[in-house]
Amino acid sequence: GAGVSQSPSNKVTEKGKDVELRCDPISGHTALYWYRQSLGQGLEFLIYFQGNSAPDKSGLPSDRFSAERTGGSVSTLTIQRTQQEDSAVYLCASTPPGGPSYNEQFFGPGTRLTVL
Amino acid sequence: AQSVTQLDSHVSVSEGTPVLLRCNYSSSYSPSLFWYVQHPNKGLQLLLKYTSAATLVKGINGFEAEFKKSETSFHLTKPSAHMSDAAEYFCVVRTGNQFYFGTGTSLTVIP
Repeated sequence: GAGVSQSPSNKVTEKGKDVELRCDPISGHTALYWYRQSLGQGLEFLIYFQGNSAPDKSGLPSDRFSAERTGGSVSTLTIQRTQQEDSAVYLCASTPPGGPSYNEQFFGPGTRLTVL
Repeated sequence: AQSVTQLDSHVSVSEGTPVLLRCNYSSSYSPSLFWYVQHPNKGLQLLLKYTSAATLVKGINGFEAEFKKSETSFHLTKPSAHMSDAAEYFCVVRTGNQFYFGTGTSLTVIP
């Protein structure tokens, strides 16, 4: 079946511009996560959606970052007034509903964002 | 509080020799543990996961990991390294719906 997809795969933008990154989770997966991976670094948690519950936004680095999830499926991560330090790979992951605690995350290929 | 420590940021081995990537965790609860691999410019792929059915977990590509509760460790091993194993490896702890990632270990395989 189809995996997690993300678009665009690459995005180059100028400092100060807004960008939108899209994630399509696996069909039926109720949990969706956004992470940021800077060059040579580990994964930094950004935000987590679970079904219709209020999202966990505790990882968003500033108020320039926001995310929404429409209809419990597709999610969009928006970065306003981009800065050079926002340059990174943005990864999206989803997990199936309920089930055992050892259900893993399924990752998308990521969006590489470059802010000039 | 939950945390994951990958004890080595870089590991270098010769082709055909054993691989050991170390991971220690702290968790207030009975954790679920995972190892992911990320090849250059690729997405993260699940290598294996601990499900409490057995302490020795076998994964893809000949990798194994052993859960040791007394040592709070979940080290990743492979008997014989292959050139294609060169990648970044992440140890992950799941508690509830949150996943905690280690900082990663970069594995280099020398021909």
